[in-house]
Amino acid sequence: DAMVIQNPRYQVTQFGKPVTLSCSQTLNHNVMYWYQQKSSQAPKLLFHYYDKDFNNEADTPDNFQSRRPNTSFCFLDIRSPGLGDAAMYLCATSTMALTYEQYFGPGTRLTVT
Amino acid sequence: KQEVTQIPAALSVPEGENLVLNCSFTDSAIYNLQWFRQDPGKGLTSLLLIQSSQREQTSGRLNASLDKSSGRSTLYIAASQPGDSATYLCAVCFGGNKLVFGAGTILRVKS
Repeated sequence: DAMVIQNPRYQVTQFGKPVTLSCSQTLNHNVMYWYQQKSSQAPKLLFHYYDKDFNNEADTPDNFQSRRPNTSFCFLDIRSPGLGDAAMYLCATSTMALTYEQYFGPGTRLTVT
Repeated sequence: KQEVTQIPAALSVPEGENLVLNCSFTDSAIYNLQWFRQDPGKGLTSLLLIQSSQREQTSGRLNASLDKSSGRSTLYIAASQPGDSATYLCAVCFGGNKLVFGAGTILRVKS
């Protein structure tokens, strides 16, 4: 089945220790998104790629970076995680054709100790 | 500012009851609206997508309606079951292929 895959599902990192979260997709969608969702809150868009074009949200901290080496993969790098970065990180994809429907992966739960 | 609001924040109903979840948005110039389900600690599962030119969409026991002029959408769940217990999120695409999410409605269906 075509899908969005996120690894790992659970990640524990230490305060200040860089961490990378991974997302891959078999849908061949040209748009990929990263959202941050804190407990009991709405998902918040961090950035998205339209093909290789990177689009950062204005209020996304500089501590968050992203890479998209090819259509299938996208990475979220947190350079110096703080306690406030503990959250669920959701990857999604969509195509610019037809409905623009977004498809989400299962998420990575990040804990910062 | 483009915002999405969901009411109620939480809802508890007995099994078998029909229920309605509400979503309102501040800008009527939308591209589409999606309803998602989220189980605790999990990702988002897309339930229904309504294009701006559509009035409603149906999938099984779920029916979503859209009224752009009033800035409202409803998700109707018929004959609720304990397995329907989850958080339901409404998300609006105002353009630029980005979604703005509501904070969600936590639904509990009691057996």
